[in-house]
Amino acid sequence: AQSVTQLGSHVSVSEGALVLLRCNYSSSVPPYLFWYVQYPNQGLQLLLKYTSAATLVKGINGFEAEFKKSETSFHLTKPSAHMSDAAEYFCAVSDQRGGGNKLTFGTGTQLKVEL
Amino acid sequence: EAGVVQSPRYKIIEKKQPVAFWCNPISGHNTLYWYLQNLGQGPELLIRYENEEAVDDSQLPKDRFSAERLKGVDSTLKIQPAELGDSAVYLCASSSGGSSSYNEQFFGPGTRLTVL
Repeated sequence: AQSVTQLGSHVSVSEGALVLLRCNYSSSVPPYLFWYVQYPNQGLQLLLKYTSAATLVKGINGFEAEFKKSETSFHLTKPSAHMSDAAEYFCAVSDQRGGGNKLTFGTGTQLKVEL
Repeated sequence: EAGVVQSPRYKIIEKKQPVAFWCNPISGHNTLYWYLQNLGQGPELLIRYENEEAVDDSQLPKDRFSAERLKGVDSTLKIQPAELGDSAVYLCASSSGGSSSYNEQFFGPGTRLTVL
């Protein structure tokens, strides 16, 4: 079975500050890992994905994440937060063998960006 | 290109009433997913279709939930009868290709169901 744990259900940062959202995964097989963003009353949008190529993955809107197998982590970062980054962020894991079909999501982290 | 379309966006019903949600995937996407998202939680897969075949419905509560994708394109998810605990957002997603390689899932905006 696969699972992800997102540490911190709410994170608050100042505009211009570093954003760090934590995700740890559990998987008995090589995983695919994802970060999704969800704005209010909208569906999920893929920010970035790790599919066993480069361990440092760059996504949209200036976000990036690093796959660290030794730490079973896939933390999401952005050097400088913008007000428009305020949203809910979900980490997800999938079994590579299924082509990413079976996504298991974390419970989400609500990011608040303050002036 | 149009994204995944869901309707209605919002639905309020009384308990024990039936309700149905509709999803039209991205054109050409043969895989369709229904997810349940409870408040403050991540989405959980209810059912996955490959064309018109339900290939994973292990998480679908079959006593009250049903789904269909008759022509392998759009899909309907039904609850009958609805219970208070069914209040949630129901998300539909679609992807192309099979399971041999990675295929990104694209999500619709969801239907927010409130059961009174």
